[in-house]
Amino acid sequence: DGGITQSPKYLFRKEGQNVTLSCEQNLNHDAMYWYRQDPGQGLRLIYYSQIVNDFQKGDIAEGYSVSREKKESFPLTVTSAQKNPTAFYLCASSSSSGSYEQYFGPGTRLTVT
Amino acid sequence: GNSVTQMEGPVTLSEEAFLTINCTYTATGYPSLFWYVQYPGEGLQLLLKATKADDKGSNKGFEATYRKETTSFHLEKGSVQVSDSAVYFCALRGTGGFKTIFGAGTRLFVKA
Repeated sequence: DGGITQSPKYLFRKEGQNVTLSCEQNLNHDAMYWYRQDPGQGLRLIYYSQIVNDFQKGDIAEGYSVSREKKESFPLTVTSAQKNPTAFYLCASSSSSGSYEQYFGPGTRLTVT
Repeated sequence: GNSVTQMEGPVTLSEEAFLTINCTYTATGYPSLFWYVQYPGEGLQLLLKATKADDKGSNKGFEATYRKETTSFHLEKGSVQVSDSAVYFCALRGTGGFKTIFGAGTRLFVKA
């Protein structure tokens, strides 16, 4: 079955540590996205990538970094510079043609203490 | 720039009641419009979409019509079930862009 996987589902880290969230898709989509969701809030775009080896900052990129070395993979690193990293992180992908609807992974809930 | 405004929640209904969640948008040109649903602890799932004016998207008893004259894309369902309890997001993707703009989400509770 085609889809997006994110791992792990739950992640706990100590303050000051960098942490990398995994996102893999087998939908053959060119575009991939990372969003942050806080309780009771909508989605805020962190980074997006339209094609391999290229990515752009979204609305809240500070304290985050990404790479896009393979079409299938778009990992997100939450660095120690992110002031308030505890949140639910969602990865998504979309085709480069058609109506561009996004397909989402199940999310990773990151807790930093 | 592009924006989406949807009604604040939570919306609480009894089973078999009629549902409307309002969504209006601001965009130039002819954006594509979407409704996504998020169940607790999960990612978003596409519920329905419409890509041009007067299109009606429908899925699982939910419907929404792309109204360019009122810049609206209201979500409706004739008879809700307890299993419809979730958060619903209205979204748009503008012409020529890769970014999708999401509304703040509307939480729906359906009581048995």
